[in-house]
Amino acid sequence: EDQVTQSPEALRLQEGESSSLNCSYTVSGLRGLFWYRQDPGKGPEFLFTLYSAGEEKEKERLKATLTKKESFLHITAPKPEDSATYLCAGSNTGNQFYFGTGTSLTVIP
Amino acid sequence: GAGVSQSPSNKVTEKGKDVELRCDPISGHTALYWYRQSLGQGLEFLIYFQGNSAPDKSGLPSDRFSAERTGGSVSTLTIQRTQQEDSAVYLCASSSSPGLTSGTQYFGPGTRLLVL
Repeated sequence: EDQVTQSPEALRLQEGESSSLNCSYTVSGLRGLFWYRQDPGKGPEFLFTLYSAGEEKEKERLKATLTKKESFLHITAPKPEDSATYLCAGSNTGNQFYFGTGTSLTVIP
Repeated sequence: GAGVSQSPSNKVTEKGKDVELRCDPISGHTALYWYRQSLGQGLEFLIYFQGNSAPDKSGLPSDRFSAERTGGSVSTLTIQRTQQEDSAVYLCASSSSPGLTSGTQYFGPGTRLLVL
């Protein structure tokens, strides 16, 4: 059964304290691994797409990496405005998308 | 350019009534998805359209749920005889046509449905 699991469920960081969020996946014939940010009361906002193991993408303080079993979202020197829920999703050969339940990140000033 | 839009943004209805939720995808996006997000839960896949056809309806929770898409653009999700457990945020997303890789989905702001 295709599924995506994220950990931890919640993470509290001090401003400037770097960390990583984990996304483990079992998706048949992975066609894409996606990271989104969701703020309260809003729809998910696209961050990154990764297609193959070894691929890395960066945007400001965020870097996403992909292996054959997991993806990591690394947050370097986070700021309070990075506080949000981060969602991971994988798509399979049938173009079905499987979302994790997210990691709620709080960055304390 | 315009993103995905959804209407209404909020809907309060009484148990047993029917509701229609609308999604306007990004122009030119051929794929359209509906998801449901309950409080504290992940996104639950409902249905996927490629053009006007729905190759995957596996996520619809019951026969009270239906969806259609016309002209390869606007989609409507209809919930008949609403129940309190239908209360959730309904999210729509669109993407360019999938090929060897899946197109990135871009989400609308959602419709918050409350069934009293």
